[in-house]
Amino acid sequence: QSVLTQPPSVSGAPGQWVTISCTGSTSNIGAGYDVHWYQQVPGTAPKLLIYSNNNRPSGVPDRFSASMSGTSASLAINGLLAEDEADYYCQSYDSTLSGMLFGGGTRLTVL
Amino acid sequence: QVQLVQSGAEVKKPGASVKLSCKASGYTFTSYAIHWVRQAPGQGLDWVGWISAGNGDTKYSQKLRGRVTITRDTSATTAYLELSRLGPEDTAVYYCARDPPMDDWNYYYYMDVWGKGTTVTVTS
Repeated sequence: QSVLTQPPSVSGAPGQWVTISCTGSTSNIGAGYDVHWYQQVPGTAPKLLIYSNNNRPSGVPDRFSASMSGTSASLAINGLLAEDEADYYCQSYDSTLSGMLFGGGTRLTVL
Repeated sequence: QVQLVQSGAEVKKPGASVKLSCKASGYTFTSYAIHWVRQAPGQGLDWVGWISAGNGDTKYSQKLRGRVTITRDTSATTAYLELSRLGPEDTAVYYCARDPPMDDWNYYYYMDVWGKGTTVTVTS
């Protein structure tokens, strides 16, 4: 099925480490298509956070990292800061859809 | 600096069409592709479609195919999204975003620069 599944919400205290999962299928992540991650503060446009599985654009701190395994990917945020509170989306290409696919998004709350 | 400047908010009646623009500057327009992504109120990101600014190739969301057309004007360095037969479910913020090239023929299929978005409201 052509879906990327993310948990609706995660939370952590400042300084802690959190992960956000993105589960796909054999037509997207499992087929070897790259996974990309975006951060969106409500009311603003999304921002590219990680591209091509585990590459950070200039300006994104190394507290953010990502990994992939099989049909899943994960975003990790180390040393949580209040400013990390936002929505996070994974994205990949899907061969069945012949187009892009976004995960449903995960709201990160910094306690 | 690299910028994508989008057209202003639109209010449309059900059944009408809307055409949005995305003006690119600060880079070689024809070397990149452009995605259109929408976000309904309180919802997640929804991919609408994609155009190669170089050769005009397009890809569209399956659920919108038949109602969506994406074009570009290379002389104006502008991409356009036209959506027809609008319904209340099309009410959303529509973003354009740039997709970098992998080589002369392929793209990475991610979105590295985003416009600020255009709000489209469909209401009777």
